[in-house]
Amino acid sequence: ILNVEQSPQSLHVQEGDSTNFTCSFPSSNFYALHWYRWETAKSPEALFVMTLNGDEKKKGRISATLNTKEGYSYLYIKGSQPEDSATYLCAFQRYQKVTFGIGTKLQVIP
Amino acid sequence: DGGITQSPKYLFRKEGQNVTLSCEQNLNHDAMYWYRQDPGQGLRLIYYSQIVNDFQKGDIAEGYSVSREKKESFPLTVTSAQKNPTAFYLCASSIGGSLEGANVLTFGAGSRLTVL
Repeated sequence: ILNVEQSPQSLHVQEGDSTNFTCSFPSSNFYALHWYRWETAKSPEALFVMTLNGDEKKKGRISATLNTKEGYSYLYIKGSQPEDSATYLCAFQRYQKVTFGIGTKLQVIP
Repeated sequence: DGGITQSPKYLFRKEGQNVTLSCEQNLNHDAMYWYRQDPGQGLRLIYYSQIVNDFQKGDIAEGYSVSREKKESFPLTVTSAQKNPTAFYLCASSIGGSLEGANVLTFGAGSRLTVL
């Protein structure tokens, strides 16, 4: 079983704060690293899929970086808003197998 | 609209019964996946399929079976051999292949199975 670890498991931040989460994964046989946002009562939605070492992706206030050599990725949220409250999942892909971490549950307090 | 349809949304089963969860996609995706979520745990991979008539075991395949006879369909059977079947089940699909963006997963709405 591939070990995909996310930290922290939960996080409370004040509205307007910036925050970041970590995903660590095996550095061998890397294919892609995924980030998803999962809101309550909805299906997970893709944020980013990154494939190249050093990749940086951005969508609005959310960005992600990737280090495949050391096996970690960071997800950053700038100026958190209550609507950012969700569980953020990362997933490691090796060939066509996609393995998820446990997620980071973010609560943004107004 | 293109998407993934899972049915039923809620299912109750007696111990010892097999049950099949449906997953249908009209996205023309090659790869399909089944995940299970339990409280306090992440998504755990049960089975995945890269192409019609081919599938591979994930990390927790024991007590489950799948088929992939058509590109758009990937049903999951929870057998009586699965010791703790009560869970939330998510189906997902992706285009598949090596192009960037081809591996983004699209998820269904999920099926919640409760064993009585």
